[in-house]
Amino acid sequence: SQQGEEDPQALSIQEGENATMNCSYKTSINNLQWYRQNSGRGLVHLILIRSNEREKHSGRLRVTLDTSKKSSSLLITASRAADTASYFCAFRPYSGAGSYQLTFGKGTKLSVIP
Amino acid sequence: EAQVTQNPRYLITVTGKKLTVTCSQNMNHEYMSWYRQDPGLGLRQIYYSMNVEVTDKGDVPEGYKVSRKEKRNFPLILESPSPNQTSLYFCASSPRTSGGYNYEQYFGPGTRLTVT
Repeated sequence: SQQGEEDPQALSIQEGENATMNCSYKTSINNLQWYRQNSGRGLVHLILIRSNEREKHSGRLRVTLDTSKKSSSLLITASRAADTASYFCAFRPYSGAGSYQLTFGKGTKLSVIP
Repeated sequence: EAQVTQNPRYLITVTGKKLTVTCSQNMNHEYMSWYRQDPGLGLRQIYYSMNVEVTDKGDVPEGYKVSRKEKRNFPLILESPSPNQTSLYFCASSPRTSGGYNYEQYFGPGTRLTVT
């Protein structure tokens, strides 16, 4: 399977702390995306980083991408209780022209304790 | 309001009884996709469509069918559902892809299917 792997599977922190979660993948990619899912609901897109970018910011989110290590990390700074959710990375495994299959990781479940 | 809608939201059915889950988007997106989500397995792509009459398999297409006759609709068909298809299903859409890039996906609210 070319499914991504998130690490850790679960993370519990206090409000105000930073949360870091990682995603590893096995193939070449064109871009990598991060999504958030509140319990049982649809996923919401957070940020997209292209393969030629190393770092990207959006508000309290910081994403890095290391294509040589085939890994990405999502940092949420100054976390809030409302950040409690599952976070998924998603990418298109490179399998030649014409394939636009999108693969998701298994997710990191973040709990932010007030 | 820009959105992806799915119907029904909840469905309990019996083995072998054909069912269709509808998906519709009002954003004129070209790319649409179906995923299933199971505990410990994350999201897995079932089928996707690049445009009208263009569909392709994802990771787990067995037991499912799709069609894309109109740009806005992308129904998921289970011709003979089995208990291992009990899952949470999501439809998603995305703007035009080009140059090999997959753009951000807009997700529907999900359909929880139970097959007994």
